[in-house]
Amino acid sequence: AQTVTQSQPEMSVQEAETVTLSCTYDTSESDYYLFWYKQPPSRQMILVIRQEAYKQQNATENRFSVNFQKAAKSFSLKISDSQLGDAAMYFCAYRSAQGAQKLVFGQGTRLTINP
Amino acid sequence: NAGVTQTPKFQVLKTGQSMTLQCAQDMNHEYMSWYRQDPGMGLRLIHYSVGAGITDQGEVPNGYNVSRSTTEDFPLRLLSAAPSQTSVYFCASSYMGGRVYEQYFGPGTRLTVT
Repeated sequence: AQTVTQSQPEMSVQEAETVTLSCTYDTSESDYYLFWYKQPPSRQMILVIRQEAYKQQNATENRFSVNFQKAAKSFSLKISDSQLGDAAMYFCAYRSAQGAQKLVFGQGTRLTINP
Repeated sequence: NAGVTQTPKFQVLKTGQSMTLQCAQDMNHEYMSWYRQDPGMGLRLIHYSVGAGITDQGEVPNGYNVSRSTTEDFPLRLLSAAPSQTSVYFCASSYMGGRVYEQYFGPGTRLTVT
């Protein structure tokens, strides 16, 4: 079974600075997808960014980018120019490319933005 | 589009009571699923469905039942609530197929079992 590990329960960053959230995963599959979800205090789950394992290029979405290291099974999220609205729980998630759309989530990292 | 809706938003149950958490989506998604979120454990899959009449167990199915009689609805039933089922429950849906379709989540239901 696949597992996802986020080893940083909490992180904090100064507004306008850059922060990196870590995620590692374990799988024997070669084809899969990885995601970062944001959960603000409203509890709503919001997709931030996705990465397809067969693509070597790291995904980017505006201020959000990932560092995908397939051999190391690492998938970190970098947030540039942090804003107060970025404060939230962030979850890393894995999904196999085969079968149903089952997501396996990490434990989450709570990000605080200091003004 | 209302997206994924869940009712109720909050619920308090006594041990042994039963209830159904409702989930509906209006996007004609084939795939629907239920997750529970507990502190320090992320979201864990309870049950999922790949279409009307088809359901399967996820990682933590014990104590929960599901059925899928229509494409739109995917209710989660707690037959005899236990304090260990105190959690936040999320329903999610997506298209299926060759592409990596986004999963859309409902707003969640906070359940407390006393």
